[in-house]
Amino acid sequence: DAKTTQPNSMESNEEEPVHLPCNHSTISGTDYIHWYRQLPSQGPEYVIHGLTSNVNNRMASLAIAEDRKSSTLILHRATLRDAAVYYCILSPLNNAGNMLTFGGGTRLMVKP
Amino acid sequence: DGGITQSPKYLFRKEGQNVTLSCEQNLNHDAMYWYRQDPGQGLRLIYYSQIVNDFQKGDIAEGYSVSREKKESFPLTVTSAQKNPTAFYLCASTVQGTGGQPQHFGDGTRLSIL
Repeated sequence: DAKTTQPNSMESNEEEPVHLPCNHSTISGTDYIHWYRQLPSQGPEYVIHGLTSNVNNRMASLAIAEDRKSSTLILHRATLRDAAVYYCILSPLNNAGNMLTFGGGTRLMVKP
Repeated sequence: DGGITQSPKYLFRKEGQNVTLSCEQNLNHDAMYWYRQDPGQGLRLIYYSQIVNDFQKGDIAEGYSVSREKKESFPLTVTSAQKNPTAFYLCASTVQGTGGQPQHFGDGTRLSIL
């Protein structure tokens, strides 16, 4: 299975943009890139996913490199509520069981 | 509101006791999952079910059992054979399909040993 690599932690100031990187150099052509986040003592929350093109939704933007070997989750204006662990996960198109493999993620700290 | 409900929020187990964690969803999702999370770690898959009356083992199924008698419900039993059950347990569901489908998670059950 293709693996992802993320920094253990990052810091951001409130109301500034945050760019969370993810490397997935062994990604296959049919792997979706998913992002979830987990607030303390809660279950993970779906943030965004994409295949080849950049994606935007109300929560965040996903920028995918042209060679698809890396991606970046962009939070446009960080708030204190965005402090969480962010997971970047690859999920194959033919993943009939739709199983997700979670790594350690990036712990985002937001300073007021 | 549609969602996943896990209960109880906190659970304590005595030595040699089986305990059952509840997971109910009203999202009309076909597939359901159980994950275990240890402190500071990512989630690990215990069991999953893609359809009623069928389920498959995940990466760490030993010491656990599940059933899927109804589409909405996927209870997890932590048996006495699970020697280190203290963890945060998360249930998830998704529509059946390909890898592009996001999973929806409950708020978890925290299990501790007395």
